[in-house]
Amino acid sequence: KNEVEQSPQNLTAQEGEFITINCSYSVGISALHWLQQHPGGGIVSLFMLSSGKKKHGRLIATINIQEKHSSLHITASHPRDSAVYICAVGTPRFGDVYNTDKLIFGTGTRLQVFP
Amino acid sequence: NAGVTQTPKFRVLKTGQSMTLLCAQDMNHEYMYWYRQDPGMGLRLIHYSVGEGTTAKGEVPDGYNVSRLKKQNFLLGLESAAPSQTSVYFCASSLGYASTDTQYFGPGTRLTVL
Repeated sequence: KNEVEQSPQNLTAQEGEFITINCSYSVGISALHWLQQHPGGGIVSLFMLSSGKKKHGRLIATINIQEKHSSLHITASHPRDSAVYICAVGTPRFGDVYNTDKLIFGTGTRLQVFP
Repeated sequence: NAGVTQTPKFRVLKTGQSMTLLCAQDMNHEYMYWYRQDPGMGLRLIHYSVGEGTTAKGEVPDGYNVSRLKKQNFLLGLESAAPSQTSVYFCASSLGYASTDTQYFGPGTRLTVL
């Protein structure tokens, strides 16, 4: 079983719909990240959170540490939101000479929003 | 600011050839990373650097070498390319370490090894 699981793998929506993408993880984490990968391939960091909720425009990210689960919501979806959304968690990297955490990435959720 | 840039954008190699991918950032970030992205898998860390002159192995380092001679540049080398190294390679940088800080990604390099 992967340490970071995202659902659904693929999602289609009509413009204006409310979107929810889920991320579950099985390791202890320092932080959770949501990233967006555009159809052209570029990757942009959307949120980093370790508790509670963050909002940026029409995007909302929540995390429940006890349940090891995070959700990314998109309100009033638009075709320009079409992208792959990636969840990543920071977790200890044991034996690392620089004492850094490692990021474990999910495989992504592909979202298509149609007009 | 250009952010994070990568060269080249595309490359085709034959098995056994060598090449170097260049990553440059103009944000004065300490941390830099090389990832590979393969279909059906999440991004995987190849090597990373915590500052000028430092490098460390990530989760999939075999077959790759890196150097960070200048703070703004992070080079990824393939000494003897193999078809298993066909992938899209992303460089990223961050002010603090990636698990607790925002990463900025380059546009990617699509490498095909025949």
